Amino acid sequence: DIQMTQSPSSLSASVGDRVTITCQASQDISNYLNWYQQKPGKAPKLLIYDASNLETGVPSRFSGSGSGTDFTFTISSLQPEDIATYYCQQYDNLPTITFGQGTRLEIK
Amino acid sequence: QVTLRESGPALVKPTQTLTLTCTFSGFSLSTSGMCVSWIRQPPGKALEWLALIDWDDDKYYSTSLKTRLTISKDTSKNQVVLTMTNMDPVDTATYYCARIRLVGATRGAFDIWGQGTMVTVSS
Repeated sequence: DIQMTQSPSSLSASVGDRVTITCQASQDISNYLNWYQQKPGKAPKLLIYDASNLETGVPSRFSGSGSGTDFTFTISSLQPEDIATYYCQQYDNLPTITFGQGTRLEIK
Repeated sequence: QVTLRESGPALVKPTQTLTLTCTFSGFSLSTSGMCVSWIRQPPGKALEWLALIDWDDDKYYSTSLKTRLTISKDTSKNQVVLTMTNMDPVDTATYYCARIRLVGATRGAFDIWGQGTMVTVSS
């Protein structure tokens, strides 16, 4: 199975900061990588698909990049409502799927 | 509007079999490329993909849990059912169902999720 390694596992930042989360795949997954936001007590929400495409309705401060094994998720200017846990998810070998371990984002 | 809703017992005993139902609306599981999947999340832990059923009734399971899982669908009722045998306290989690499509722009992404149902395994 393809393993996804996210880092950091937790992150504290100030409002207005640029925040970056990385996700590394155990093998080449092309751009078959999605990012989700999960707020406490809620279901995850799709933010980015195919590594860099913004889902409809998602604010443009969120972005993604990368291909192959290394991927990056960025919030250009952190807002209070962005406090959540973020997950990457690969689908290179559909229909089997794996998630990263998550990055918990807090306000400093 | 696409919605999914999970239902099932909140409490099961160790060794029992868990049966969860996902009832959905706003799409058809008969449409080519359409799938429904189950994902779980133990308290304070990461998401774990469990199983997927597609429009053609093909079924796929997590490697680590496949001996315990069965997924099925009733297209006429717009329902997908997951059974998990031999439940253990480590299976305590919130269980989500979600839509995923194998074709189209958001191929491979869980674009719509249910609200989740918490299952506790305890005697």
